[in-house]
Amino acid sequence: DTEVTQTPKHLVMGMTNKKSLKCEQHMGHRAMYWYKQKAKKPPELMFVYSYEKLSINESVPSRFSPECPNSSLLNLHLHALQPEDSALYLCASSQDRGRAEKLFFGSGTQLSVL
Amino acid sequence: GNSVTQMEGPVTLSEEAFLTINCTYTATGYPSLFWYVQYPGEGLQLLLKATKADDKGSNKGFEATYRKETTSFHLEKGSVQVSDSAVYFCALSEGGSEKLVFGKGTKLTVNP
Repeated sequence: DTEVTQTPKHLVMGMTNKKSLKCEQHMGHRAMYWYKQKAKKPPELMFVYSYEKLSINESVPSRFSPECPNSSLLNLHLHALQPEDSALYLCASSQDRGRAEKLFFGSGTQLSVL
Repeated sequence: GNSVTQMEGPVTLSEEAFLTINCTYTATGYPSLFWYVQYPGEGLQLLLKATKADDKGSNKGFEATYRKETTSFHLEKGSVQVSDSAVYFCALSEGGSEKLVFGKGTKLTVNP
């Protein structure tokens, strides 16, 4: 299994809603990542988890709350988002930190905030 | 800081045409260089990579050579197919870093 699975594929939420994005991998990777990709823009790194601990937060607003409950799962909890947060949210994993050349990306969750 | 500059798209070609997408980079050290491809509605897939100067990455008929003297990593393919239609991102990472710095992407459309 060489896949990173993200659910849901599409999500529409209001600014007062609370929702979560889920990412799963069964490759034994110990580093997991969240990227945000706005329309027609390149992906931008949000968070990095290494061995289930948050190791990088790229100054992301607190309305985005990541969680890594175990080595296979990565969640992104969303609360009080703004319309400008609408984007494709991509999860990725790698064997360890410092291995950008071996990142596996999921297909993403397309988020629309109304 | 590190940055990647790609040629502006979109690029429209006929099937079997030759493809070049230019990419240049700025980095403080000796980065690894990548090309990623994103098909419509999907995430990113690593297309090819090169980790040191003069390395050539290749995959699925695509090639790119790491040119330190010109700080470039241009993507080429001799004969494109309709199925190559996608957005192509050039990216770099500094050694030992998991952080990828992407270019803005180039949308390629190949017509039959």
